[in-house]
Amino acid sequence: GENVEQHPSTLSVQEGDSAVIKCTYSDSASNYFPWYKQELGKRPQLIIDIRSNVGEKKDQRIAVTLNKTAKHFSLHITETQPEDSAVYFCAARGGGDTGRRALTFGSGTRLQVQP
Amino acid sequence: DAGVTQSPTHLIKTRGQQVTLRCSPKSGHDTVSWYQQALGQGPQFIFQYYEEEERQRGNFPDRFSGHQFPNYSSELNVNALLLGDSALYLCASSLGGFGATGQPQHFGDGTRLSIL
Repeated sequence: GENVEQHPSTLSVQEGDSAVIKCTYSDSASNYFPWYKQELGKRPQLIIDIRSNVGEKKDQRIAVTLNKTAKHFSLHITETQPEDSAVYFCAARGGGDTGRRALTFGSGTRLQVQP
Repeated sequence: DAGVTQSPTHLIKTRGQQVTLRCSPKSGHDTVSWYQQALGQGPQFIFQYYEEEERQRGNFPDRFSGHQFPNYSSELNVNALLLGDSALYLCASSLGGFGATGQPQHFGDGTRLSIL
């Protein structure tokens, strides 16, 4: 099945700096890559997603890039703010036959933005 | 517009007992997926229900079972509870089952299950 690796596990930045979180996936047929933000004790919230026919997507201070050849995708947060502090999860959804289309999550990155 | 709702929020059980968790999907969604999230880890896929059938299953034993009702709500049942079943159980809803490429999943707040 699909395997998603996420790095780093923890990331500390100063307010206003940029943060980058990277994920790699194993199933070349994967075609959908969402990113979720989970604050302590709360539900994972979808913040941005990208499909395999697109190389980059941006939404205000958040952007995601996808390199299908290398099978990796990254989350970029610019001008970080203290309220960006949370755990971020990447995920990949398998393609191909329906038996492989579950979301597989990375292990998470704890982002801390220092004021 | 009601989001995904789960009940109960917290549950304490002892080893060997059985538990039922409930989920109502976001308005307009017809597909429910269940995940187990252990402390400090990412959610792990248990199974997905679409059109009242289990469509795909992750690497979980058959102690974990589910059901989807005609109104799209769903239940997760776990039998013969083990200490290792302690986790946050998340329900996510989406539209169109696995046939719909890239349909985003929206999560509920989860049920925190503790096994003593």
